[in-house]
Amino acid sequence: KAGVTQTPRYLIKTRGQQVTLSCSPISGHRSVSWYQQTPGQGLQFLFEYFSETQRNKGNFPGRFSGRQFSNSRSEMNVSTLELGDSALYLCASSLGQHWNTEAFFGQGTRLTVV
Amino acid sequence: GIQVEQSPPDLILQEGANSTLRCNFSDSVNNLQWFHQNPWGQLINLFYIPSGTKQNGRLSATTVATERYSLLYISSSQTTDSGVYFCGSGTASKLTFGTGTRLQVTL
Repeated sequence: KAGVTQTPRYLIKTRGQQVTLSCSPISGHRSVSWYQQTPGQGLQFLFEYFSETQRNKGNFPGRFSGRQFSNSRSEMNVSTLELGDSALYLCASSLGQHWNTEAFFGQGTRLTVV
Repeated sequence: GIQVEQSPPDLILQEGANSTLRCNFSDSVNNLQWFHQNPWGQLINLFYIPSGTKQNGRLSATTVATERYSLLYISSSQTTDSGVYFCGSGTASKLTFGTGTRLQVTL
């Protein structure tokens, strides 16, 4: 069974550009969450989706947005990129409607803003 | 929301040594997971352990939900155990993590 797939794996963008990252959850999983991890830091919660609805959002500026499609795939978008947006972006999925069941992570997208 | 604290923040071990990582949480939880973040950044599931004890090879975990903590034991550590270990607990719409324990195993 395929795991959580994130694309692309690596990305280099210029300040001011925008970027879209993709996450395909494990087949059958309908809950998806996104996290940002900057070097040496922990996992900062971005947003969470279930059945195409954003149920929760972390403390990030409006430049960060996301959505979930009917097939549970999710995308996140960052507009007007800043140097500080350079980070590893991780996506997780869970089978249950809530996050009290086992969660699985993708390999992440490493974004570098120059 | 739930607060999760991990200790120690950093740990350096010689290969072959044993270690215990701790995860404390602020409220009663009915789920708890341990992850290992490898050098390439991916979080690998170690244990889903809402209560009790589980073992997988050299690793084992114990969660005492009534006392709001979980422990991860690593025995006979190897250099491949290096990385960051996170514990996390989920609610309706969020999986909350501790700040992690960074483990370095040296030869």
